[in-house]
Amino acid sequence: GAGVSQSPSNKVTEKGKDVELRCDPISGHTALYWYRQSLGQGLEFLIYFQGNSAPDKSGLPSDRFSAERTGGSVSTLTIQRTQQEDSAVYLCASSSGGTNEKLFFGSGTQLSVL
Amino acid sequence: GENVEQHPSTLSVQEGDSAVIKCTYSDSASNYFPWYKQELGKGPQLIIDIRSNVGEKKDQRIAVTLNKTAKHFSLHITETQPEDSAVYFCAASREAGRRALTFGSGTRLQVQP
Repeated sequence: GAGVSQSPSNKVTEKGKDVELRCDPISGHTALYWYRQSLGQGLEFLIYFQGNSAPDKSGLPSDRFSAERTGGSVSTLTIQRTQQEDSAVYLCASSSGGTNEKLFFGSGTQLSVL
Repeated sequence: GENVEQHPSTLSVQEGDSAVIKCTYSDSASNYFPWYKQELGKGPQLIIDIRSNVGEKKDQRIAVTLNKTAKHFSLHITETQPEDSAVYFCAASREAGRRALTFGSGTRLQVQP
């Protein structure tokens, strides 16, 4: 399909382990966002990539969280030394950038930290 | 930064009735206000949006109104159908496409057949 693809769809890990979440945006989309959705909560902004500009990391909750985007396409969100409060759905979205504001979301990765 | 508050958190209506969801925002420079619908197990999907130079926008059974003075905007769904059941999120941004959206906490709408 031509939508935003996220993997894995579900991830169960033990407290203290590192995890990597992957996002494949829609081909040609220059903007990519990561959001976190805790149970029954809204979408919390984490990080935003736009083309070759420096990413907006203002939403990352701690230095255990980092993200990169290679070649302007695929992005990986890494959480080091996971804690139970990191359990949430991690959503990735992309848009064509510029002044086009419509976000296309993936189905998310459900992360459970035991 | 921007803060968006949304209410109610849950809303139950009978099929055919109207549903209204309200949001307030804090940043007077915000100029773009989208609404997203999230069905179970899926990512949110844009259903309608409005810019600050417009007071109202309609798309079939869905309409959004904006009051810039009061800094609030609302989603109106008329003639609700069971397939409208989902979680709805409002959002705001001061520089659409160049800054991330700030989302409200969501409203779970249930349409009873």
